[in-house]
Amino acid sequence: DVKVTQSSRYLVKRTGEKVFLECVQDMDHENMFWYRQDPGLGLRLIYFSYDVKMKEKGDIPEGYSVSREKKERFSLILESASTNQTSMYLCASRLEPVWGAASQPQHFGDGTRLSIL
Amino acid sequence: AQSVTQLGSHVSVSEGALVLLRCNYSSSVPPYLFWYVQYPNQGLQLLLKYTSAATLVKGINGFEAEFKKSETSFHLTKPSAHMSDAAEYFCAVSGSGGGADGLTFGKGTHLIIQP
Repeated sequence: DVKVTQSSRYLVKRTGEKVFLECVQDMDHENMFWYRQDPGLGLRLIYFSYDVKMKEKGDIPEGYSVSREKKERFSLILESASTNQTSMYLCASRLEPVWGAASQPQHFGDGTRLSIL
Repeated sequence: AQSVTQLGSHVSVSEGALVLLRCNYSSSVPPYLFWYVQYPNQGLQLLLKYTSAATLVKGINGFEAEFKKSETSFHLTKPSAHMSDAAEYFCAVSGSGGGADGLTFGKGTHLIIQP
């Protein structure tokens, strides 16, 4: 069974701080994703990564960056946290077979509820 | 661009009644469609997926969904609701072009089960 682990369930930080959210998957998946979830807006894609050291912007990348130095780990970085980044953050991973990844389901972690004060 | 519309942010049914959660999509290519469930304070769990095989897809926990291309719909149903079905449900679409693009999600439907 795929396991996606997010390092913190709850996190409280202050405005202006640099914040790191960590995600680890144990199934050797090539693709990894970061979403944020807000009431009434569903999930929105922040960044994704095809493979190690590869990243692509999603729909709402402003104010965020990512790092993927190892295949199993994908970090989301809030360069200078602001109150409008208070949200639930979800990490996901996906296998990328040679015939294409789009038909493969994404596997999600339990989320990190981040509050910026 | 792809999009997903879930009709009804909240749906309330009685225990034992039919559950119907509506999802319509738009996509310029044949889509892959997914339903996920989210229980309180948890991540998303895959219920079922459509990947161009059978149009009627069976998932976990007694749920199923039917892909109707003519209606661009992928509604989720369950014949008899159980209290444990109370959760948030998300419909999502992924393009068929391959690549590592993320899913496009609907805004979610909160399912309430009345005793």
